[in-house]
Amino acid sequence: AAGVIQSPRHLIKEKRETATLKCYPIPRHDTVYWYQQGPGQDPQFLISFYEKMQSDKGSIPDRFSAQQFSDYHSELNMSSLELGDSALYFCASSPRTGDEKLFFGSGTQLSVL
Amino acid sequence: DAKTTQPPSMDCAEGRAANLPCNHSTISGNEYVYWYRQIHSQGPQYIIHGLKNNETNEMASLIITEDRKSSTLILPHATLRDTAVYYCIASSLTSGTYKYIFGTGTRLKVLA
Repeated sequence: AAGVIQSPRHLIKEKRETATLKCYPIPRHDTVYWYQQGPGQDPQFLISFYEKMQSDKGSIPDRFSAQQFSDYHSELNMSSLELGDSALYFCASSPRTGDEKLFFGSGTQLSVL
Repeated sequence: DAKTTQPPSMDCAEGRAANLPCNHSTISGNEYVYWYRQIHSQGPQYIIHGLKNNETNEMASLIITEDRKSSTLILPHATLRDTAVYYCIASSLTSGTYKYIFGTGTRLKVLA
């Protein structure tokens, strides 16, 4: 069965650079969530989208922005990267069935040097 | 969304049942209880969820108390591959989507 695809799997950036993470949800899933997980930390909710509109926002820094496109894939744009942004970034998708379960991708490991 | 409280860690012998408790004393009537687990640094994996009734699937059973203030996830025959961090989340529909806030979870270690 198709799963959530995230790219790239690994990304290395320098401080103050920008990064773009991509997420391709499971077909027919119209809701996307982004999470950040620092080393030894629990996943922190960043932002979610439903039907291409932002539906909820968590602890997402102002330097980050995200959107969901017409094909339902989503991108997380991160600017002015800081060392503390080094983390695993997970994307999850869910269908609108009334009792949503999240299906997570394998994550993007971002390292800021 | 209701805050959940879980013990930080638990051990379980392989082949025995693992019972993972979760306290969600402030849960509201429309909040579901979801359980996810995360094995090492993989993406969290859905296990089971429920609203009021006990639930069972191929992975686990979920027992929710009548007052809904706590629940227990039961892995009936734990294996070494069940070693993971288990998260209990109370979630309801907000602005078109469910909000899933991960707490600190329970680190389950299954011992051979």
